Amino acid sequence: RKEVEQDPGPFNVPEGATVAFNCTYSNSASQSFFWYRQDCRKEPKLLMSVYSSGNEDGRFTAQLNRASQYISLLIRDSKLSDSATYLCVVNPSTGGFKTIFGAGTRLFVKA
Amino acid sequence: GAVVSQHPSWVICKSGTSVKIECRSLDFQATTMFWYRQFPKQSLMLMATSNEGSKATYEQGVEKDKFLINHASLTLSTLTVTSAHPEDSSFYICSAPVGGDTQYFGPGTRLTVL
Repeated sequence: RKEVEQDPGPFNVPEGATVAFNCTYSNSASQSFFWYRQDCRKEPKLLMSVYSSGNEDGRFTAQLNRASQYISLLIRDSKLSDSATYLCVVNPSTGGFKTIFGAGTRLFVKA
Repeated sequence: GAVVSQHPSWVICKSGTSVKIECRSLDFQATTMFWYRQFPKQSLMLMATSNEGSKATYEQGVEKDKFLINHASLTLSTLTVTSAHPEDSSFYICSAPVGGDTQYFGPGTRLTVL
């Protein structure tokens, strides 16, 4: 089993749609969780951190379920510019930065 | 915000040559940097952890004699791909942690070995 697994893609959605991505992780002791966005041939960029209480940033909402060991990302009112690969990232250790990346889920938002 | 740069952004070389990639933290010091490799349509795979003042820590399956890492200063880490072969063609990305457990990534270096 992979340490971090994501929904297989690609997701093809129309503009304005709501889309949700899930991600599961295997190490129950994992400490930090993130969603990154990666555009084609570019480096990943931090989209948002994920906290136990959940967090929201505009159209994006991230949630963490420690009991079930999964995190989610919800994108509302999708824009064409949201088309990218979304990477689920888990930091398995306390005080360290050795992160584990999921394989990514590709999102295509179409007009 | 914190910025990490990489140089070169892309390189094409002949099989058997060595290629050096630089990763710099531009406005902060980084005692630790990470080197990743990403093949097409795959996620980033951590290759090694670069430690300023000590030897790099390599992930399982990564040849330390092939991928030489030198963390020369608090703002510079270099990755040298020695005797590159076509299978080494990939997107190499470095990152540096900035406060807490957030990482900032360099723009990546696309290596093509002919």
